[in-house]
Amino acid sequence: GQQLNQSPQSMFIQEGEDVSMNCTSSSIFNTWLWYKQDPGEGPVLLIALYKAGELTSNGRLTAQFGITRKDSFLNISASIPSDVGIYFCAGQGYGNKLVFGAGTILRVKS
Amino acid sequence: DGGITQSPKYLFRKEGQNVTLSCEQNLNHDAMYWYRQDPGQGLRLIYYSQIVNDFQKGDIAEGYSVSREKKESFPLTVTSAQKNPTAFYLCASSIDGGTSGDRAKNIQYFGAGTRLSVL
Repeated sequence: GQQLNQSPQSMFIQEGEDVSMNCTSSSIFNTWLWYKQDPGEGPVLLIALYKAGELTSNGRLTAQFGITRKDSFLNISASIPSDVGIYFCAGQGYGNKLVFGAGTILRVKS
Repeated sequence: DGGITQSPKYLFRKEGQNVTLSCEQNLNHDAMYWYRQDPGQGLRLIYYSQIVNDFQKGDIAEGYSVSREKKESFPLTVTSAQKNPTAFYLCASSIDGGTSGDRAKNIQYFGAGTRLSVL
């Protein structure tokens, strides 16, 4: 099945740093979603984007729906320890099927 | 509390055995989904159901079976034909399955998962 290219694969954060990650696809999507997954739990929806060019915030999180409809990025500002986890992007075309990226693992620098 | 409940949290399968994973939702959602998650990979769709008594194969349906006899329940059976069943299984639901044209109603919400291991 089709997958999205999500990068980086993993990154280390220090408290207070800003974090960026993105997803790209060869296909156009009508909806972009960003989820966060904690170890041993299911993904939790962070942000949903419905329109090309749309920029949406949820607290310290900001996500954008790319103009070409083939990409999206997620920024986390002033990271805190509880931001660690796996972040997934997902694209949705017509209908209800989602295509997921492989995830970005956020870890804390020691 | 409204939500999606998956059980059990951990499950072990013996060689040649079929096992069934439970997924129940009290959100009154029409559509339900089963995904498989392997380390370092995105979620892969096994089966989905847009409405009661109807379901469709996803990308990796071989070795799995489902039923949708009630709106709130969508159990997944991992059969003995699935030779590599060890994975984290996630169930999700959405208000509808893309039939209304309202994309907000297609947003999928997930349960807490079941980890299946082979003995």
